[in-house]
Amino acid sequence: SAVISQKPSRDICQRGTSLTIQCQVDSQVTMMFWYRQQPGQSLTLIATANQGSEATYESGFVIDKFPISRPNLTFSTLTVSNMSPEDSSIYLCSAGGGRPEGETQYFGPGTRLLVL
Amino acid sequence: KNEVEQSPQNLTAQEGEFITINCSYSVGISALHWLQQHPGGGIVSLFMLSSGKKKHGRLIATINIQEKHSSLHITASHPRDSAVYICAVSYFGNEKLTFGTGTRLTIIP
Repeated sequence: SAVISQKPSRDICQRGTSLTIQCQVDSQVTMMFWYRQQPGQSLTLIATANQGSEATYESGFVIDKFPISRPNLTFSTLTVSNMSPEDSSIYLCSAGGGRPEGETQYFGPGTRLLVL
Repeated sequence: KNEVEQSPQNLTAQEGEFITINCSYSVGISALHWLQQHPGGGIVSLFMLSSGKKKHGRLIATINIQEKHSSLHITASHPRDSAVYICAVSYFGNEKLTFGTGTRLTIIP
């Protein structure tokens, strides 16, 4: 199994500012993902964080708004840029889910973001 | 497009009751995941299964591949089981998860 930590656990930010969320895994993992969970909604995949290359973004998410870094196999960051109140969500990092298909994904504790 | 549907959306039960949460999906999958999300937001992976049945403590998960259906059972439910339970599926050749909308479970003492 993998243990995942995220920082910060929560934050309140002003409109127009940016926040970088860190995700640390206690072991090397192939796959890392970033999700958003808006209030009352299920999880939506933002992007797959690829080690050493640009992240793969899902439809509706762009690099300028959600830049992602993954410098090694245990660490990734997600930045929420030029925030607006619509960005208020829980942001979750997950790891695992690699080959063979269907490997368990482990989730971080989430970062609860409120944009005023 | 694979849809993942859960039922019920909300479930309230008395402590000690046997709980069943259902999940249906529309196309073939490589695995189905049951996740638990507590009010703080963190998610715990409960089960990952591709066939048959798995048991962990008071939790039991079953899957019927032919019927494209899975159930999560909780025996002797307890107030600490109160959480949102989420079903998610993954596909062959694709590690991404597709999530159901979740079932909010409340166990009353």
